[in-house]
Amino acid sequence: DAGVIQSPRHEVTEMGQEVTLRCKPISGHDYLFWYRQTMMRGLELLIYFNNNVPIDDSGMPEDRFSAKMPNASFSTLKIQPSEPRDSAVYFCASTLGTVSGYTFGSGTRLTVV
Amino acid sequence: GESVGLHLPTLSVQEGDNSIINCAYSNSASDYFIWYKQESGKGPQFIIDIRSNMDKRQGQRVTVLLNKTVKHLSLQIAATQPGDSAVYFCAENGNFNKFYFGSGTKLNVKP
Repeated sequence: DAGVIQSPRHEVTEMGQEVTLRCKPISGHDYLFWYRQTMMRGLELLIYFNNNVPIDDSGMPEDRFSAKMPNASFSTLKIQPSEPRDSAVYFCASTLGTVSGYTFGSGTRLTVV
Repeated sequence: GESVGLHLPTLSVQEGDNSIINCAYSNSASDYFIWYKQESGKGPQFIIDIRSNMDKRQGQRVTVLLNKTVKHLSLQIAATQPGDSAVYFCAENGNFNKFYFGSGTKLNVKP
């Protein structure tokens, strides 16, 4: 298995633009998580899905953030409109079962200028 | 929400020495803990886990100790190597399948 695949690896965009981050979880995993990592706040859980259904989105910072999982092999995290304070590394992770370690992707480094 | 904190933000050790990274957690109901290693430009990587019914678990060159009385977790790395240089996070399973991560400790291994 190629692991959790995220795209793009780097994204630079102007303030106000829409940004879409993509994730392909490990095949067969039934949980998918989106995390954001910054120096100030560390790793923050934004939202997670179970069997493609959003379970907990309490970590999503604002209405500008939205996430979807249309099928078991694909998820998106969208920011519209983007702001400079959204600059961070966004990680996607997946796992099988209720309590086990995540497998993280390599992340998307987002820079909003 | 729960908070997971680390005592030392940076730890420098000599190659070949043993390393100990500490972590304090806040939720006494947490029953599963994981240590992750994150190298520059990569996502966190699973190292070792431990459940609350255990005090100690050993892997290859790594040992995790859990003290539930004081809500403390530690990661011991034996014979630290340059490849161990990274940021290490502890994470607790605070609610169902949600993990809360500590702020991380950077381990520098000096040759």
